[in-house]
Amino acid sequence: AQSVTQLDSQVPVFEEAPVELRCNYSSSVSVYLFWYVQYPNQGLQLLLKYLSGSTLVKGINGFEAEFNKSQTSFHLRKPSVHISDTAEYFCAVRLNMFSGGYNKLIFGAGTRLAVHP
Amino acid sequence: GAVVSQHPSWVICKSGTSVKIECRSLDFQATTMFWYRQFPKQSLMLMATSNEGSKATYEQGVEKDKFLINHASLTLSTLTVTSAHPEDSSFYICSARDHHSLKNTEAFFGQGTRLTVV
Repeated sequence: AQSVTQLDSQVPVFEEAPVELRCNYSSSVSVYLFWYVQYPNQGLQLLLKYLSGSTLVKGINGFEAEFNKSQTSFHLRKPSVHISDTAEYFCAVRLNMFSGGYNKLIFGAGTRLAVHP
Repeated sequence: GAVVSQHPSWVICKSGTSVKIECRSLDFQATTMFWYRQFPKQSLMLMATSNEGSKATYEQGVEKDKFLINHASLTLSTLTVTSAHPEDSSFYICSARDHHSLKNTEAFFGQGTRLTVV
């Protein structure tokens, strides 16, 4: 079975500072990895995804993430955050197309990013 | 990107009544749609997978007679909360995957429905 651990429930940071949101996953087979953002009372928006190839993935709003297979991690980073980045961030995994099985997304518990002026 | 529309955005109902939530894929066909429930400050919990033209697959612990799912077309899935009670109050979110696109790996989410049962 797959699982996702987001190590920090809350991350406070000042505006224009860099930030890293941590995500570790567990799976015995290959997976796809995703980061989603959720603003209050809204659905989820995809920030970026790792399917295969280059381990450094760039997404929207200046975010990027690096897939590290040996450490089973997929940490999200942004070099300079804005007030508007304040939101809930979810890491998720899904079995890849060659792993077969059920194709549902499994989410981490979420990390609340709070950007302060 | 593809758009998933969820309606209503919020609903208040009396205890004992039923509420229907719609999830539509506006510009793509979705063989599969997913229904999630989210409690305040918590992650998304998958309730069921909605398959067009067949019965939904419910996750363990989710009452299928309580949460009725119908996926009658490739663009519409509905979740009906039957005989709602205050403990059913929550944020419900649907997602869908594009059946035909090479971007089938990505799920698109609706904006969510805030259900309050009084």
